[in-house]
Amino acid sequence: GEDVEQSLFLSVREGDSSVINCTYTDSSSTYLYWYKQEPGAGLQLLTYIFSNMDMKQDQRLTVLLNKKDKHLSLRIADTQTGDSAIYFCAVEVSGAGSYQLTFGKGTKLSVIP
Amino acid sequence: DTGVSQDPRHKITKRGQNVTFRCDPISEHNRLYWYRQTLGQGPEFLTYFQNEAQLEKSRLLSDRFSAERPKGSFSTLEIQRTEQGDSAMYLCASSFPGQGIYEQYFGPGTRLTVT
Repeated sequence: GEDVEQSLFLSVREGDSSVINCTYTDSSSTYLYWYKQEPGAGLQLLTYIFSNMDMKQDQRLTVLLNKKDKHLSLRIADTQTGDSAIYFCAVEVSGAGSYQLTFGKGTKLSVIP
Repeated sequence: DTGVSQDPRHKITKRGQNVTFRCDPISEHNRLYWYRQTLGQGPEFLTYFQNEAQLEKSRLLSDRFSAERPKGSFSTLEIQRTEQGDSAMYLCASSFPGQGIYEQYFGPGTRLTVT
């Protein structure tokens, strides 16, 4: 089945850019997503990218997709303390009529004031 | 609409008891998903409904688990004879096919602790 890998921790200083990386195995996945989870809360959909795109920008968020290397990244510009959370990469399982998502284990972003 | 809601938010139960969770999706969303998230892991897919029909179940969903979505609105997830390994956050998500993408919106989850 699909496998999604992320580094577990990232620490950045407030005002710097954060880059969270993700690799996946299913090259036929159609949509790839980034979710944010704050302590005790559910998952908040941040952004997504369609597999025929290389880049998508949404305010402070930039998503880069390298289909050849099966690599997805999320860049957060001007990182703020409120961005401290766990970020999950999720890949839509190809061929599944349910469009179920396979998630990575999440990257815990810590922002140092 | 205020988004996906789940009830209860927390449930503590003794091993062997039955528990039931409820999910109310966003009102116009015809697809509903259940996921399970354990500590330090990402959510794992359990099952999926399109309207009232349960169309897919993960192998994680043992025969002690049952889910329903009567009338295609709210859904319930029941766990019978709970085990300590069932302790997890149970997340519900809903989606509606807009422009070919099935963005899933998640509820706050029900945290189950089995003692």
